Amino acid sequence: EIVLTQSPGTLSLSPGERATLSCRASQSVSGNYLAWYQQNPGQAPRLLIYGASNRATDIPDRFSGSGSGTDFTLTISRLEPEDFAVYYCQQYGTSPWTFGQGTKVEIK
Amino acid sequence: QVQLQESGPGLVKPSQTLSLTCTVSGGSFSSGGYYWSWIRQQPGKGLEWIGYSYYSGSTYYNESLKSRVTMSIDTSNNFFSLRLSSVTAADTAVYYCARMGWRGIDWGQGTLVTVSS
Repeated sequence: EIVLTQSPGTLSLSPGERATLSCRASQSVSGNYLAWYQQNPGQAPRLLIYGASNRATDIPDRFSGSGSGTDFTLTISRLEPEDFAVYYCQQYGTSPWTFGQGTKVEIK
Repeated sequence: QVQLQESGPGLVKPSQTLSLTCTVSGGSFSSGGYYWSWIRQQPGKGLEWIGYSYYSGSTYYNESLKSRVTMSIDTSNNFFSLRLSSVTAADTAVYYCARMGWRGIDWGQGTLVTVSS
């Protein structure tokens, strides 16, 4: 199965700063079928990005996804207070689909 | 807009079988293109696929859980189910039902299942 490794484990930033989250796959993600999710405590994950770079419905344009093959990035251009959460990447190009272990974005 | 809602007991005794149902509204099983899934999250941990089913009947089960998992789909009544047998405290988790498609996952709100005597 494809192993997704997210880095860093924790990102400490201030509101208004730029966040860059990485997701690296152990082998190429077929079709660039890579998604990003945000999870706040006690809530279900929320889809942010699908197909590596497509924003989901109602997702603000400060969130952007990029990358292909084995290296993918989620960028939050200017952190808002509600963006401090845990972020997961997920590949769905090759079964079994897999998640990364998550990156926590915390307030510095 | 599809909506998914989990239901089932919140407390299960060790060695018994965990059974959950996911009711789907606003979406159809028979349209194809989607995988009907169960995902869990143990306390303080990340997300783990339990398995997924296609409307045609094909399934995938996580290798680590395969011997204990059964999933089924009732296309007539728009729900799908999970059964996990011989549970232990390690199966305590929030269980999510979900619809996986080429545009990513639509999630249920999740239900906490605690395994305890």
